[in-house]
Amino acid sequence: GQNIDQPTEMTATEGAIVQINCTYQTSGFNGLFWYQQHAGEAPTFLSYNVLDGLEEKGRFSSFLSRSKGYSYLLLKELQMKDSASYLCAVRDNDTGFQKLVFGTGTRLLVSP
Amino acid sequence: DTEVTQTPKHLVMGMTNKKSLKCEQHMGHRAMYWYKQKAKKPPELMFVYSYEKLSINESVPSRFSPECPNSSLLNLHLHALQPEDSALYLCASSQGSNTGELFFGEGSRLTVL
Repeated sequence: GQNIDQPTEMTATEGAIVQINCTYQTSGFNGLFWYQQHAGEAPTFLSYNVLDGLEEKGRFSSFLSRSKGYSYLLLKELQMKDSASYLCAVRDNDTGFQKLVFGTGTRLLVSP
Repeated sequence: DTEVTQTPKHLVMGMTNKKSLKCEQHMGHRAMYWYKQKAKKPPELMFVYSYEKLSINESVPSRFSPECPNSSLLNLHLHALQPEDSALYLCASSQGSNTGELFFGEGSRLTVL
């Protein structure tokens, strides 16, 4: 089975930096994804980590430590439009079939 | 074309109705998915199709019946649903079931009366 945890809510100020953590326990880990979801819209892909380390993509970076079962998403130079839910998702091969399982999601509110 | 298209966007149905949700992608992806999402909750996996064959059914009740007529299309047939089945139903696709990120459609918002 899988257990994926994230903080429920975070708040930050425009222009600041925020780090959203994700911890997971899974028996067949095969990659970790971060998705952004605005209210009433579909999730959109942000980043993917399968090896340990940092992946940087513009204002967004994602880090993975497989030994610790830990990832974070770092958002720099926050903008109002970054207010959204951020979903950590783990690709799991536990049953012999690959599937993507989402964490609880973190609602980020960016204020002026 | 990097879109996953879902129809209808909104659906209201009674508990005795039979309806279908449709999903289409033209990215050449070989894996397609149905997820269910309740308000303020993450998406929950329902079904995975890989190369047009059902590879994962997450113990979904039989009142939900998936169908993959070809590699571009995925349907979800609904029959005798309950009010608690009201949710956003998201379709997604990926290159393969173990490669590439998932691309999501906008979802079909279902209300069961």
